[in-house]
Amino acid sequence: KNQVEQSPQSLIILEGKNCTLQCNYTVSPFSNLRWYKQDTGRGPVSLTIMTFSENTKSNGRYTATLDADTKQSSLHITASQLSDSASYICVVRLVRGSQGNLIFGKGTKLSVKP
Amino acid sequence: GAVVSQHPSRVICKSGTSVKIECRSLDFQATTMFWYRQFPKQSLMLMATSNEGSKATYEQGVEKDKFLINHASLTLSTLTVTSAHPEDSSFYICSAARTSSYNEQFFGPGTRLTVL
Repeated sequence: KNQVEQSPQSLIILEGKNCTLQCNYTVSPFSNLRWYKQDTGRGPVSLTIMTFSENTKSNGRYTATLDADTKQSSLHITASQLSDSASYICVVRLVRGSQGNLIFGKGTKLSVKP
Repeated sequence: GAVVSQHPSRVICKSGTSVKIECRSLDFQATTMFWYRQFPKQSLMLMATSNEGSKATYEQGVEKDKFLINHASLTLSTLTVTSAHPEDSSFYICSAARTSSYNEQFFGPGTRLTVL
């Protein structure tokens, strides 16, 4: 069964600290993996996208890693800011003919406190 | 670029009424649009895939007669929740894929539907 599991479910950190979010997937055949940021009551916004051959991808203070052998990904946030408070969703895309074959994780809810 | 809008952002309706939600790609043409539903603390669940000029493809368990989808142009798709019930209360999110890019979906801001 194609699944995306994220951990932790929620996380509270102090402003300025770093954190790492985890994503394990059992999706096959794999096309790419994306990390999205979803603010409360808003749609997801793409942070990074990685294909099978990519190990790491950065977007400002966000750095995503991918280990296709172990089917694990992480999202590292450096020097957190209050505006980083949001849900972070790991999404894996299946290789198929359609563009809609995305498997979503439940997300990690991050709260950054002053 | 690649901005997707939804209207309305919030809607409250009485049980039994119908509600229409619009999804627009503002600065690009989208051959394909997707409709998702998200319940609290749950991940996005794909409801249907909408292709311009053709019938939508619904995911298993999604009633096509209850959730009417129209994709009349390359920039507009609508989702109509017919005879809404309280259990239809949810966060509805659309996304749009550029005709020129196979891999990227751009999400709208979502519509919060509350059925009383």
